[in-house]
Formats: sequence, C-alpha cells, structure tokens
Amino acid sequence: EVQLLESGGGLVQPGGCLRLSCAASGFTSSNYAMSWVRQAPGKGLEWVSAISGSGGSTYYADSVKGRFTMSRDNSKNTLYLQMNSLRAEDTAVYYCAKAGEDGILNWFDPWGQGTLVSVSS
Amino acid sequence: DIVMTQSPDSLAVSLGERATINCKSSQSVLYNSNNKNYLAWYQQKPGQPPKLLIYWASTRESGVPDRFSGSGSGTDFTLTISSLQAEDVAVYYCQQYYSTPLTFGQGTRLEIK
Repeated sequence: EVQLLESGGGLVQPGGCLRLSCAASGFTSSNYAMSWVRQAPGKGLEWVSAISGSGGSTYYADSVKGRFTMSRDNSKNTLYLQMNSLRAEDTAVYYCAKAGEDGILNWFDPWGQGTLVSVSS
Repeated sequence: DIVMTQSPDSLAVSLGERATINCKSSQSVLYNSNNKNYLAWYQQKPGQPPKLLIYWASTRESGVPDRFSGSGSGTDFTLTISSLQAEDVAVYYCQQYYSTPLTFGQGTRLEIK
C-alpha cells in the first residue's frame, strides 16, 4: 500500500523558514514525480511545486518561486520542501502527493494527510 | 496559465437523485497526439485529503463506485453522480495536468437537499 506521511509543519513568524518532509513507502519513489499542494484554511487547492522522479527537474508556482525549494532523497524515500521568506499568505495545510503515472504532467494519487504551516507574528 | 472554472459553486441534491458538476478550462486540455484529455476529478471530505475519482477525464479510479462518471473533451467537462448517497457529501475539484502550473477549479460543495 502506498503511504505518504508529511512532517515539519508548525508556527513560524513572517520572514522565517521551515522545512517540510514527506516520507514515502509502498512504491519505488524514483519511478514517480511528486508534488506539494497546499490548501489555505477554508479555501481550495493550490499546486505549489513538483519534482521529477530522478530529482533532476523541479517546477514551481509563481507564488513561491525563488522562496521555496523542492528536493528529494530517493535513497531515503523522502521528499522535502524548504520554505524561506515565509508570508502570512503561505499559511495552509501542505500535502505531498504522488503522480499517478510517470512524469510531471499527471494527476495526484494518493495524497498524504497533510501538515499545517501557520505564518503569524 | 490554464484557469479552471467550476459550476456551480455549491449544489444541493436529494438522496437518490443525479448530481452534475461542470468544469471549464480556459484552453483545451486535449493532447492531440494521444487523443487524451488531461483532466482529473477529486473528492474531499471534511478533515481529509483529496481522493482521486477520475483521470483522463473519464477513467474511474479503482475502487470508486460506478455511480461516479466523468465526461467531456477539450475545454468542457462534467462529473456526474448518478444516484446521490449520503457519503457523497463533499467538495469536488477538477484539475488539469496538461501543462504547468498544474491548476485546480475552485471547488463545488455538494450537499443533501
């Protein structure tokens, strides 16, 4: 069974940084692209970033480009999201999600349970 | 960026009746070389992550009840629940994966009338 478990969320001040992790199991992680998708409280879904199976290619939403960095360690089956220069509008539940098939241009299945990031002074 | 617009924003349907949710993309998500529509549907219940229902616009994910179906092509898509059950109360999202940034519709809240 494929499982994704996020960690690293918490309360941080504006301008601060945080690193999220996503531990994957039940599949060969290097075979699949992965994404981070966030959901602000009471709002809809927003794709944040994606990384290829090898980790050689990354893609970002304009809203986080230059501030967030996505990476992966396939030897540890773990995905990361380094979040710098955090803003109040980054407050959200952050989900990691596996691509349905090979490649970045994919649906998401499954999703982790999410980790809450709150940016506030 | 491809903008996804769902309608309606909310919907109330009686148990056993049909529910229809629409999704329109600002440009075609049909890839001509493979004749596939790069469109997925998700269901999200309160306090839970989204769950995949449909991909390639009309392919039902394994384990999803057959009362859920997807249709459409190009820029106009529909998610249909043929006979609403109580457990179908949720927010439904469409998503295009034709190009980055990957984008979602704003969501449609489905309730029981």
